[in-house]
Amino acid sequence: EDKVVQSPLSLVVHEGDTVTLNCSYEVTNFRSLLWYKQEKKAPTFLFMLTSSGIEKKSGRLSSILDKKELSSILNITATQTGDSAIYLCAVRRGSAGKSTFGDGTTLTVKP
Amino acid sequence: SQTIHQWPATLVQPVGSPLSLECTVEGTSNPNLYWYRQAAGRGLQLLFYSVGIGQISSEVPQNLSASRPQDRQFILSSKKLLLSDSGFYLCAWSILAAETQYFGPGTRLLVL
Repeated sequence: EDKVVQSPLSLVVHEGDTVTLNCSYEVTNFRSLLWYKQEKKAPTFLFMLTSSGIEKKSGRLSSILDKKELSSILNITATQTGDSAIYLCAVRRGSAGKSTFGDGTTLTVKP
Repeated sequence: SQTIHQWPATLVQPVGSPLSLECTVEGTSNPNLYWYRQAAGRGLQLLFYSVGIGQISSEVPQNLSASRPQDRQFILSSKKLLLSDSGFYLCAWSILAAETQYFGPGTRLLVL
């Protein structure tokens, strides 16, 4: 059975801290790994990773995939209160692009 | 640009009543469409996906069904709701050649 596990489940930090969120997976027919940020409602797309070792970066957020270790990390530097959200990792598999999601990491950034 | 709509935004229904949630996509043709459910504190569970009109695949056995009567319309239904059907329902679309899924605003369903 396909599985995506995120850790930690929750994290509380103070503004300015740097955080690392983890995602590990066991899926068949891997196509890509995606990170999403979910605040009140629908998840919004952050990154899509398909190749090992290539860092994707957007402002203070960055992510990298390790296909050998079947894992990915999402880094957020100089955290702000607006970074508080649930961060979801999903792995897409097969030709129809079906996704298996992890349970998410709830990040709380305190002022 | 592409947009995705879902309605209603929230719904409170009694056990045993029927359900119909609608999702429409604008600005793209022949999208892959997906229905997910998210329980409180959990990730998204894929319920159904569709690669074309009338083509529906179910991921998990359950009390729900899906239909795609038009290219950009995806409907989630139930004949008789159960308490366990409560949750946050999200519709998503993607282009076949790309990987990113874009989510609608979601419907919060509470079955009492």
